[in-house]
Amino acid sequence: DAMVIQNPRYQVTQFGKPVTLSCSQTLNHNVMYWYQQKSSQAPKLLFHYYDKDFNNEADTPDNFQSRRPNTSFCFLDIRSPGLGDAAMYLCAASRDRSSYEQYFGPGTRLTVT
Amino acid sequence: AQSVTQLGSHVSVSEGALVLLRCNYSSSVPPYLFWYVQYPNQGLQLLLKYTSAATLVKGINGFEAEFKKSETSFHLTKPSAHMSDAAEYFCAVTHRSSGNTGKLIFGQGTTLQVKP
Repeated sequence: DAMVIQNPRYQVTQFGKPVTLSCSQTLNHNVMYWYQQKSSQAPKLLFHYYDKDFNNEADTPDNFQSRRPNTSFCFLDIRSPGLGDAAMYLCAASRDRSSYEQYFGPGTRLTVT
Repeated sequence: AQSVTQLGSHVSVSEGALVLLRCNYSSSVPPYLFWYVQYPNQGLQLLLKYTSAATLVKGINGFEAEFKKSETSFHLTKPSAHMSDAAEYFCAVTHRSSGNTGKLIFGQGTTLQVKP
């Protein structure tokens, strides 16, 4: 029944230790998005994939990378997490960029110690 | 550029009372507008969307919103609040034009508290 799945739901990593968050979708949608949501703030788009085409937001730090090996899966890599990267990371999928309805996963809450 | 302003970061209503959450947008092109709800430690769930069809949009859980171009508003209402409506609500805007990525611009959110 789940459409967008994120694992793990909670992730703890150490300062500077690389971490990978994963997202999968059963919708077979073309577009996948990664948002960062800090405490009591609105979600902020980091980047998205339209099929295999990667699109980075201009203000997304270089510390954040993404991979999409196939339609179903998308990964968020944080190369050297800092304390300021502690946040909820939300993955979303959309049929295409013209439909604009995005289906969100439950999120991964990242803690950096 | 597009932006969204949600008036009131916290709204408190009694159970059974009218819910009104305010959203104003700014967009130089015809917008698409959305309301999402977020429960603690959960993702966002779409409540309703406006995509240039009917200006009064009905969504899930008894919510509805009216697009008013003259007021650049898209306020969310529900006639009778239920305890389960307590959550964070986000208004978001995007638009359909050449090259648009579908990027959602979110408001800062409104926390709805429902008192027994």
